Amino acid sequence: DTEVTQTPKHLVMGMTNKKSLKCEQHMGHRAMYWYKQKAKKPPELMFVYSYEKLSINESVPSRFSPECPNSSLLNLHLHALQPEDSALYLCASSRGLAVITDTQYFGPGTRLTVL
Amino acid sequence: GESVGLHLPTLSVQEGDNSIINCAYSNSASDYFIWYKQESGKGPQFIIDIRSNMDKRQGQRVTVLLNKTVKHLSLQIAATQPGDSAVYFCAESFGNEKLTFGTGTRLTIIP
Repeated sequence: DTEVTQTPKHLVMGMTNKKSLKCEQHMGHRAMYWYKQKAKKPPELMFVYSYEKLSINESVPSRFSPECPNSSLLNLHLHALQPEDSALYLCASSRGLAVITDTQYFGPGTRLTVL
Repeated sequence: GESVGLHLPTLSVQEGDNSIINCAYSNSASDYFIWYKQESGKGPQFIIDIRSNMDKRQGQRVTVLLNKTVKHLSLQIAATQPGDSAVYFCAESFGNEKLTFGTGTRLTIIP
């Protein structure tokens, strides 16, 4: 099973709202990722967690706050977003950063619209 | 039908024909390459991968070719079907570094 699940599928929020995106995998993977994808563009890496610790932050604004409560779950907390943050947010997981040629498996994404 | 990736981001192919999607990667040190398929409204789906110590790898109806001399990757899809319509991304990585995605090619299958 190579399934990564994400909730919600769609989210509409105002610029003053606080919301969270959730991602879950049960493949025993120890690396989890958040990507942002704008229309007709490739995914852009935001954060990487390895063994529940933040490993990479690609200079993402602080209005995006990731959290990895355990090895199966990854959250992305959103606060005071801007309309330009509207995008498809993708979660991915892989066996672990110590694994050479580590394949990332993606979830279906959360379509976020900021009004 | 054949695309050149960055220079021709769309490719239309007759159903039943073979498709070739090309990708020029940027880092000569990259040692791992993946092709993803992304259908409208969905996340990228893993298709096939290849390590830099190989030049060809075959899957079910798909073949990936790697030419390290010219930093070129291609995805061949045999006997294309309507369900193959999607955007195809190549991605490269070096060691444990992050994946770098290409710009993508939209494949449209003509019935």
